[in-house]
Amino acid sequence: DIQMTQSPSTLSANVGDKVTLSCRASQNIRSGLAWYQQKPGKAPHLLIYRASILESGVPSRFSGSGSGTEFTLTISSLQPDDFATYYCQQYNTYPWTFGQGTKVEIK
Amino acid sequence: EVRLVESGGGLVQPGGSLRLSCAASGFILSSYEMNWVRQAPGKGLEWISNISSSAINTHYADSVKGRFTISRDNAKNSVYLQMSSLRAEDTAIYYCASGDLYFRYWGQGTLVTVSS
Repeated sequence: DIQMTQSPSTLSANVGDKVTLSCRASQNIRSGLAWYQQKPGKAPHLLIYRASILESGVPSRFSGSGSGTEFTLTISSLQPDDFATYYCQQYNTYPWTFGQGTKVEIK
Repeated sequence: EVRLVESGGGLVQPGGSLRLSCAASGFILSSYEMNWVRQAPGKGLEWISNISSSAINTHYADSVKGRFTISRDNAKNSVYLQMSSLRAEDTAIYYCASGDLYFRYWGQGTLVTVSS
């Protein structure tokens, strides 16, 4: 199985900060990567797919980049609504696998 | 408005069985591949199974292969997960989610607790 490793596990930041979350795949997944946001008690919400395509309705402060084994999710200016846990997911090879998540919390 | 609603969760003893359902509305389920994703309490997400739109193809994570069976009834706009030989480590919120690669629509989840 392809292992997805996210870093950091927890990120403390202030409103207005630019934050970068990392996701590394254990093998080449080309651009087969999605990012999700999850808030406590809620289902995950798709933010980005194919590594860099913004899902409809998602604010443009979110962006994704990378290919192969290294990927990043950037929030250009952190908003109060963005404090949540973020997961990456690879869909290049079955079984689809998720990273362990990065929790973005208020500093 | 697209809505996916899971049901069928609950408390079950180890070794027992349970059948989860996912009903879709505002959404022609027959056009989409469907998935089950679970999340153990306080843990991350784990994809466990999917089924093609025609139900011809299914895939499973090794953790549930041979114990869980995914199925669908497009006429009823529903997807199912038959779970058997349940273990304590199957305790989780189970979400259904649409998509062949990534998951655009999610239900609110149903909690399965495996405990004696």
